[in-house]
Amino acid sequence: SQKIEQNSEALNIQEGKTATLTCNYTNYSPAYLQWYRQDPGRGPVFLLLIRENEKEKRKERLKVTFDTTLKQSLFHITASQPADSATYLCALVVGNTDKLIFGTGTRLQVFP
Amino acid sequence: KAGVTQTPRYLIKTRGQQVTLSCSPISGHRSVSWYQQTPGQGLQFLFEYFSETQRNKGNFPGRFSGRQFSNSRSEMNVSTLELGDSALYLCASSLTGTPRQETQYFGPGTRLLVL
Repeated sequence: SQKIEQNSEALNIQEGKTATLTCNYTNYSPAYLQWYRQDPGRGPVFLLLIRENEKEKRKERLKVTFDTTLKQSLFHITASQPADSATYLCALVVGNTDKLIFGTGTRLQVFP
Repeated sequence: KAGVTQTPRYLIKTRGQQVTLSCSPISGHRSVSWYQQTPGQGLQFLFEYFSETQRNKGNFPGRFSGRQFSNSRSEMNVSTLELGDSALYLCASSLTGTPRQETQYFGPGTRLLVL
């Protein structure tokens, strides 16, 4: 069956450290992968898009990798801050219909 | 530029009733997508409308329906509500509805509780 898996357990890290979140998928062949941030009571906010032929993408303190062989994307936040605390969602763009399929998200908590 | 707005923000209904949710996209956006978010299933795609036509549909029963008006505003309707329909319903808008090329902007959602 098709699955997108993100760590269901919350990730707790200390301020200043690098947070690494994982998105694994099975039985999908996405051409694109997106990462979103969602705060409580709000809709997701788009962060980054990475294409299958791009191994890595950066935006300020954010870095995303996409390994189509491992079927995995890693999302890194360097020099993390308490304001980075939120739920982070990965989403695959699949098929010709451009549907977005979301993972269930990982909650990140950054402690001062 | 105003963001995506959804009304109402909160709603309580009882089983068997029907409900209509509204979404106003960002000005100029012609694609509106609807999602259901629950703790167990996460964000699940319901359907997408572009220029008043349903272009994509997720795996939800026919009780879930939607429409889009000429001004791109969209409504979704759920008939014969079940307890399991309790969820956060999110809409997202974009210029043309191609996530490989453009960003989707989400609204704050409508929190539906079915008793």
